[in-house]
Amino acid sequence: NAGVMQNPRHLVRRRGQEARLRCSPMKGHSHVYWYRQLPEEGLKFMVYLQKENIIDESGMPKERFSAEFPKEGPSILRIQQVVRGDSAAYFCASSPGFGQGRNEQYFGPGTRLTVT
Amino acid sequence: GDSVTQMEGPVTLSEEAFLTINCTYTATGYPSLFWYVQYPGEGLQLLLKATKADDKGSNKGFEATYRKETTSFHLEKGSVQVSDSAVYFCALSAPSSGGSYIPTFGRGTSLIVHP
Repeated sequence: NAGVMQNPRHLVRRRGQEARLRCSPMKGHSHVYWYRQLPEEGLKFMVYLQKENIIDESGMPKERFSAEFPKEGPSILRIQQVVRGDSAAYFCASSPGFGQGRNEQYFGPGTRLTVT
Repeated sequence: GDSVTQMEGPVTLSEEAFLTINCTYTATGYPSLFWYVQYPGEGLQLLLKATKADDKGSNKGFEATYRKETTSFHLEKGSVQVSDSAVYFCALSAPSSGGSYIPTFGRGTSLIVHP
């Protein structure tokens, strides 16, 4: 049973370009979370999605960032016009969505974005 | 809002030493509590969890007890190994104001175990 998959693992973009990060949840999981991790800092929640729905995007910057989880295919985190401050590790996690928060999350290996 | 506070690292120990990493939380209601471990270059992996007061989570020699009276979930291991060197995150899951469950993570505590 494949775990959470993220690609690419490493992504280099120049300032002003777009970054697209992909996440395929575990089989049977319908809930996806995106987090950002900066060196020496913890995990910062960005957005929580179910299929075709954004449930909570309170942690996502209002500009340049967007996320989707279509009916078919992976979840996508899109960062437009990247700046150096966007350089970080971005992690996706999935959960089955039942159990009212008692269930753990399953994390992917992350995408390390470097903006030059 | 909800928050998780962990002791600052790095925690440096010799092999076979006793480990404690402190974690306290603030949350409304009754959150579920988790410890995750992150090895270099990898994502987080669940280490253990507890979903109600006085529950003890355990895995791979690690233990943590959900203490509602002290709002704590300290991680312990009786004898650490070099392979336990990693970053450990304490986390809670509780309903947000909108009703969804958004986990809150601590800043992480780095553990370094020397042979």
